[in-house]
Amino acid sequence: ETGVTQSPTHLIKTRGQQVTLRCSSQSGHNTVSWYQQALGQGPQFIFQYYREEENGRGNFPPRFSGLQFPNYSSELNVNALELDDSALYLCASSFISSSETQYFGPGTRLLVL
Amino acid sequence: GIQVEQSPPDLILQEGANSTLRCNFSDSVNNLQWFHQNPWGQLINLFYIPSGTKQNGRLSATTVATERYSLLYISSSQTTDSGVYFCVNMDSNYQLIWGAGTKLIIKP
Repeated sequence: ETGVTQSPTHLIKTRGQQVTLRCSSQSGHNTVSWYQQALGQGPQFIFQYYREEENGRGNFPPRFSGLQFPNYSSELNVNALELDDSALYLCASSFISSSETQYFGPGTRLLVL
Repeated sequence: GIQVEQSPPDLILQEGANSTLRCNFSDSVNNLQWFHQNPWGQLINLFYIPSGTKQNGRLSATTVATERYSLLYISSSQTTDSGVYFCVNMDSNYQLIWGAGTKLIIKP
């Protein structure tokens, strides 16, 4: 167990809807990164938040957005869901100023119908 | 950008066998890590190994940064070792660059 929690564990939405996924980081960590993992592939970096500011973004459209709160927990919001958004969404927490590894939550499985 | 290549893509072994997983990099090694993803999706960090050799029980890893590769050794495989093993490098923005993974199946 990594100390990183995510909710919900599973979610089913229909195309065009909006979804919010949540992540609580490990105690002492001020950085949260979000990843999308399609079936059979490695995780793809979506974005990272450090002290409530976006600190890097992967190749994802603007309908993928996020927030980080003062307690360093985070949300991932996806608007106008598409079928290809079906994936496992992972969040990871770390302390950016060190070379420490990232600790991953169990993920949220999103299915878009 | 940094490229991470893993081999083999798939590996099926009998319980008790040993295996070696390889990771090659196109650029310099930064904060090289090995992760294991179990069949339920949980990712666990196995090693942080930018250079040298580390061992943890039946698992060990070696990174030769000058030759841009890393190896993960699994000895006396158990069924619980099944899953996907990812090699991960880090770019200058602290972002993780993932390989495609090696899917390992250990048969009882």
